Amino acid sequence: DAGITQSPRHKVTETGTPVTLRCHQTENHRYMYWYRQDPGHGLRLIHYSYGVKDTDKGEVSDGYSVSRSKTEDFLLTLESATSSQTSVYFCAISETGQYNEQFFGPGTRLTVL
Amino acid sequence: DQQVKQNSPSLSVQEGRISILNCDYTNSMFDYFLWYKKYPAEGPTFLISISSIKDKNEDGRFTVFLNKSAKHLSLHIVPSQPGDSAVYFCAASTTLTGTASKLTFGTGTRLQVTL
Repeated sequence: DAGITQSPRHKVTETGTPVTLRCHQTENHRYMYWYRQDPGHGLRLIHYSYGVKDTDKGEVSDGYSVSRSKTEDFLLTLESATSSQTSVYFCAISETGQYNEQFFGPGTRLTVL
Repeated sequence: DQQVKQNSPSLSVQEGRISILNCDYTNSMFDYFLWYKKYPAEGPTFLISISSIKDKNEDGRFTVFLNKSAKHLSLHIVPSQPGDSAVYFCAASTTLTGTASKLTFGTGTRLQVTL
């Protein structure tokens, strides 16, 4: 299994509070991604990184920011959590970009009350 | 607008028989296709992939078929085993900034393999 961990694994928070989710990899892969999974939508890309300090938006990036200060860590921040951000969040990594599978972490279940 | 569709939310198959999971897509820019398997409370696990220049790829019990003209792909599992019971996601890839790739997922098909 690819060495990917996510923390925390579960979190309950209140509307309006900031939340940071962490993805940590030990594979030294260049590419890292954040997805969210919701019923009826499959997984959708939030943000991605193609190198240290190189990030860009995915299809559902509103309300989220990311940072990548070193290869192994990719942080996802909800500046002011809303109930619509209640979801399961998955981090993924890949060694190369195109034509390459992405390996997923175990997920973080976030509930915003 | 769902660009990758899995129209069967669930499928039940007897152990030892063939499981066929289907996926349709609408975007002609997709150039790489993947299947993932997911158990509850775990992340998706990569199963098999296929490039848009091929029409078939096999890996053990798993075979993926791609019909570009119909924008359709399918995953065949032969023979099906109880441990195959999971949710299966079809995903299609497009290239992003910095040569990263975005996976667009279907909504999944829950496969149950019965004894």
